[in-house]
Amino acid sequence: QVHLQESGPGLAKPSETLSLTCAVSGYSISSGHYWAWIRQPPGKGLEWIGCIHRTGYPYFNPSLQSRVSLSVDTSKNHFSLNLTSLTAADTAVYYCARAPLGSWDSSDFWGQGTLVTVSS
Amino acid sequence: DIQMTQSPSSLSASVGDRVTITCRASQGIRNDLGWYQQKPGKAPKRLIYGASKLQSGVPSRFSGSGSGTEFTLTISSLQPEDFATYFCLQYNTYPSWTFGQGTQVEFK
Repeated sequence: QVHLQESGPGLAKPSETLSLTCAVSGYSISSGHYWAWIRQPPGKGLEWIGCIHRTGYPYFNPSLQSRVSLSVDTSKNHFSLNLTSLTAADTAVYYCARAPLGSWDSSDFWGQGTLVTVSS
Repeated sequence: DIQMTQSPSSLSASVGDRVTITCRASQGIRNDLGWYQQKPGKAPKRLIYGASKLQSGVPSRFSGSGSGTEFTLTISSLQPEDFATYFCLQYNTYPSWTFGQGTQVEFK
């Protein structure tokens, strides 16, 4: 069974950079798939942030692209998110997930989420 | 970019009711759509993939239909554990995703 676990600071300051990591177990990132980040502000809907392939090739939500960077470390079997220039609007639960390969792919794996509060 | 318009944003229903939620895509996405259920404090759980395929372990009262731009999630007989928020997700633009805005199903 594939398991994903987010880690990072629960509190970050405005204008600073948020760094989150998603540790993957039960599956090797090197085997394939895209690995995604999604966030959900309190009481609001889900927003796709971006995803990265094992080769390091990323895709981004255009609305966040200027502030987001993604990386993957296949040796540690984890992938990471950096979000710069934080504001209160970045307060959210951040989820990592393995992206399904297509409409035929029955697999669906998400982390439990980690709450990040941006406040001075 | 593909936009997903989900309706209604909320609904009130009773146990045993038939509930229907709709997602409309701004352009055709074939059947590259999933439906998710989310309960407070929990990660989303996928119910339907490929627009109409039932995820393993999901009760058969959940069903999905549609293709192209119009999609529907139906709960045939609402149960107490079904009060939650539901989202659609398109992945036609793989590996990029777009979520619908969500529908909160509340107890009438």
